[in-house]
Amino acid sequence: QKEVEQNSGPLSVPEGAIASLNCTYSDRGSQSFFWYRQYSGKSPELIMSIYSNGDKEDGRFTAQLNKASQYVSLLIRDSQPSDSATYLCAFEGGNTPLVFGKGTRLSVIA
Amino acid sequence: DAGITQSPRYKITETGRQVTLMCHQTWSHSYMFWYRQDLGHGLRLIYYSAAADITDKGEVPDGYVVSRSKTENFPLTLESATRSQTSVYFCASSRVGQKNNEQFFGPGTRLTVL
Repeated sequence: QKEVEQNSGPLSVPEGAIASLNCTYSDRGSQSFFWYRQYSGKSPELIMSIYSNGDKEDGRFTAQLNKASQYVSLLIRDSQPSDSATYLCAFEGGNTPLVFGKGTRLSVIA
Repeated sequence: DAGITQSPRYKITETGRQVTLMCHQTWSHSYMFWYRQDLGHGLRLIYYSAAADITDKGEVPDGYVVSRSKTENFPLTLESATRSQTSVYFCASSRVGQKNNEQFFGPGTRLTVL
């Protein structure tokens, strides 16, 4: 059974701080990893994709992948109240569709 | 660019009735997916489709039927709705025709079964 583990939170950070969201996955052969943001009452929105070990930066967001440790993280720098949402981690499960975690709820306190 | 749309956005029905949720995408993506999202369970895959006339079961297919006669449409039917099917339903499609590639979600349908 392919699984993704995420801390459900809530993770509370002050405005301007770095928010760190973490995810571990079960399939050592996975090649593609994704972070989605979901605001309350809305659909998931893709914010980052990462395929290689290391860091990938996009604006205030940095995704980090460590395949040896089966670990992927998302850092949000200069966190804003508008970043308050649930963040879903997902990975490709080989011959099956994406496997999603249950999400981490982030709250950025002004 | 309409992207991916779902209808209706909200639906209230009664136990035992048949309900069809519609999904339409304008990107010509090969793959399409149906999920339900419930508190405590996250996103759960119901069915997916690799192309017209090709469908596969996901994690929770019981009580649901899908069809895909055209690439752009992927309706989900609840043949006899039950209260346990009260949920938010999301349709998604996948770019470049690879099921493991990035998925893009529709706005969702909130279904209540009384």
